[in-house]
Amino acid sequence: QVQLQQSGAELVKPGSSVKMSCKASGYTFTSYYIYWIKQRPGQGLEWIGRIGPGSGDTNYNEKFKGKATFTVDKSSSTAYMQLSSLTPEDTAVYYCARGRGIPDYWGQGVMVTVSS
Amino acid sequence: DIQMTQSPSFLSASVGDRVTINCKASQNINKYLDWYQQKLGEAPKLLIYNTNSLHTGIPSRFSGSGSGTDFTLTISSLQPEDVATYFCLQHNSGSWTFGGGTKLELK
Repeated sequence: QVQLQQSGAELVKPGSSVKMSCKASGYTFTSYYIYWIKQRPGQGLEWIGRIGPGSGDTNYNEKFKGKATFTVDKSSSTAYMQLSSLTPEDTAVYYCARGRGIPDYWGQGVMVTVSS
Repeated sequence: DIQMTQSPSFLSASVGDRVTINCKASQNINKYLDWYQQKLGEAPKLLIYNTNSLHTGIPSRFSGSGSGTDFTLTISSLQPEDVATYFCLQHNSGSWTFGGGTKLELK
């Protein structure tokens, strides 16, 4: 079955960076995009962008350009997102999802807390 | 960016009720509207994609309709396990946007 296993919760200081992972299983990793989505506590969802694991091509929501960076490791079927220059507004749950135009399976999310 | 206005924000209904949730796009998104269910503490789950296609394993009491700018998710007979937050996603434009969510509770 399709599974996306995300890394654990992070507590980080303002101004620092964090890198989270999303390990895919149950399907051909390079055949589906990986999408990244942000959900702030008690608020709605925001699309951060996507990466094509086969090509490495990326698309970012303009709002997250310079904030988020997507990479993949095809050998381990793992996608990564790095967030830089963190502020309290980056405190959120970050989800990865896979899809071909539609995010059909989602990871369990990573809670990132930015606090001094 | 395309704005998605979802209504209502909160809904209380009884088991067996027919429930409808709406999403309105700020411009034409053709058929590219999906619906998700998110239970407390869980990841979102895809219910309906491209307006009216039922995702694998989703009960047939869930259905979707609409076109252009106005879309509806319908639960034909509410079950206790349907208590969740529901939200829509448009993927017509290059930058996708989500509706604000509808929290559905049992009366």
